[in-house]
Amino acid sequence: GAVVSQHPSRVICKSGTSVKIECRSLDFQATTMFWYRQFPKKSLMLMATSNEGSKATYEQGVEKDKFLINHASLTLSTLTVTSAHPEDSSFYICSATDGPLGGYTFGSGTRLTVV
Amino acid sequence: ILNVEQSPQSLHVQEGDSTNFTCSFPSSNFYALHWYRWETAKSPEALFVMTLNGDEKKKGRISATLNTKEGYSYLYIKGSQPEDSATYLCALIQGAQKLVFGQGTRLTINP
Repeated sequence: GAVVSQHPSRVICKSGTSVKIECRSLDFQATTMFWYRQFPKKSLMLMATSNEGSKATYEQGVEKDKFLINHASLTLSTLTVTSAHPEDSSFYICSATDGPLGGYTFGSGTRLTVV
Repeated sequence: ILNVEQSPQSLHVQEGDSTNFTCSFPSSNFYALHWYRWETAKSPEALFVMTLNGDEKKKGRISATLNTKEGYSYLYIKGSQPEDSATYLCALIQGAQKLVFGQGTRLTINP
């Protein structure tokens, strides 16, 4: 079945540094990638939608200059948390679809801790 | 903003017992509802995609029903086993393929 590989699974970084999270679709072409964030005991909240070769579309309240999304190929999308602060500590997860009628395949998530 | 509610938030069930939980959503502008099973440290696994009012779907001991007129879906697990322990998520499709998730029901099966 379809697989999305997400790395790293856990990362600890210092305040002010940037962290890159990668999601790769291993056996299908991900035309659209979604990035979610989850705070403790809360729902997965959509941050942004990216289509290969296009600029990402960010949800209301999500800072596009802080959360940089690149979807340069049909198999790779990256989320970079720039100048991270402790309040950016959260669980980030991606999902990919190969088209409007395709299913959604999720990565396994990244636990980011900013100290 | 589309609001998807799941209840209960957590559930402890004895092995062998059957259980069910609920996903509630606004009944207007319904397109599709997804159920996922999410084990710790793994990727959410798709269980069902439900689109029609009255849909009933089954996968082994797990089944789901959908009532779009009253805005709810039930997920049933028959004869719970320890491997059923997971968080069960429901999500609605909003415009542009976006999924709007509930908070999940965390199920623990006690041996």
